[in-house]
Amino acid sequence: IVLTQSPGTLSLSPGERATLSCRASQSVSSSYVAWYQQKPGQTPRLLIYAASSRATGIPDRFTGSGSGTDFTLTISRLEPEDIAVYYCQQYGRPPLTFGGGTKVEIK
Amino acid sequence: EVQLVQSGAEVKKPGESLKISCKASGYGFSSYWIGWVRQMPGKGLEWVGIIYPGDSDTKYSPSFQGHVTISVDKSITTAYLQWSSLKASDSAKYYCTRYAPGYSSGLYSVYWGQGTLVTVSS
Repeated sequence: IVLTQSPGTLSLSPGERATLSCRASQSVSSSYVAWYQQKPGQTPRLLIYAASSRATGIPDRFTGSGSGTDFTLTISRLEPEDIAVYYCQQYGRPPLTFGGGTKVEIK
Repeated sequence: EVQLVQSGAEVKKPGESLKISCKASGYGFSSYWIGWVRQMPGKGLEWVGIIYPGDSDTKYSPSFQGHVTISVDKSITTAYLQWSSLKASDSAKYYCTRYAPGYSSGLYSVYWGQGTLVTVSS
């Protein structure tokens, strides 16, 4: 399954809403999609699993949604610390695959 | 506390072999899938493969199948990623990652190692 993320780069002001898209080349079984955040120079961190379940300790401004082939990560109010690259991953069946990432920048 | 501690950076020549490690602690090693993710310089994440330490069931990405080997040593709760003949294109950071419980429903990465930088250059 190929995952296509858009846009490639998102440049927004603090407090704005960020909408990140992840489109799959075929339906992802049981909405087995996860989202990760990778800040510059850091290890990736799990944000969302099963398309919409927030991982432990993740602020509620991060929301995942979607099903089938279209999934979305929404950051409701962007904060400077949210500068990062965000990756979606499908894990419906191996081989697991990642999207190419969306870079979020602060204006 | 779950911890994944990876071996240090490596510099190798093309054609050489290499085995990097990931020491796991803080949980039942045999009961969770553990795997590897590659990140080439300035690029995104790529899934390499996974292994279930309980029975050594292993699955690889087609992109890596035949070029790398994933293994475990349960006695020392350590996972390995190895190459028999490195190429310059293997230069990347490799992350060890432990998945959530269960197959399929749990194959998302909850814990990550700090990464091992592999540089292959003549």
